Amino acid sequence: AQKITQTQPGMFVQEKEAVTLDCTYDTSDQSYGLFWYKQPSSGEMIFLIYQGSYDEQNATEGRYSLNFQKARKSANLVISASQLGDSAMYFCAKGGGADGLTFGKGTHLIIQP
Amino acid sequence: NAGVTQTPKFQVLKTGQSMTLQCAQDMNHEYMSWYRQDPGMGLRLIHYSVGAGITDQGEVPNGYNVSRSTTEDFPLRLLSAAPSQTSVYFCASSFWTSSYTGELFFGEGSRLTVL
Repeated sequence: AQKITQTQPGMFVQEKEAVTLDCTYDTSDQSYGLFWYKQPSSGEMIFLIYQGSYDEQNATEGRYSLNFQKARKSANLVISASQLGDSAMYFCAKGGGADGLTFGKGTHLIIQP
Repeated sequence: NAGVTQTPKFQVLKTGQSMTLQCAQDMNHEYMSWYRQDPGMGLRLIHYSVGAGITDQGEVPNGYNVSRSTTEDFPLRLLSAAPSQTSVYFCASSFWTSSYTGELFFGEGSRLTVL
């Protein structure tokens, strides 16, 4: 089974600082996608950003960017200028082929004022 | 836009009871799936479908049954509920090809408690 590893169960970050959430994955696929989702305390799953394995440039979406290092099988999420509203669970996921997305166990991010 | 609709949002069952979690999407997505979320475990795939009449097992399928008679609907059945099935359940759908699964669109989740 594919494995997605998020090594930081919890993180505390000061408001306005940048934060990097780690994600590594195990795969032998050549073509795949990497996703990050945010889950606030209200429980809904919010899609943040996507990176394709053949994309040459790192994906960016507003304050979110994905630091993709294919050889290291790493897809870290970077949030610039963190805000109190960024406090949430963050999940990394990998997709490819017929069996949908496999998720990591998540990182609980708390932004402190 | 409705997106992915799950019902019910909350349910309490007794051990041995059966129930169906309903899921419907209006985006004409081929791919639909059910995940369960437990504390510290992330989201784990229960069952998925890549089109009407096609279903397959995910990582944790035991105790659950699914069917896909239409593109829009993908119900999840618990035939004999057990306390270990206490969890939050998410239905999700996406655009899909045999080599690519797109961004998952999630329902709001269903919190199930089995006593």
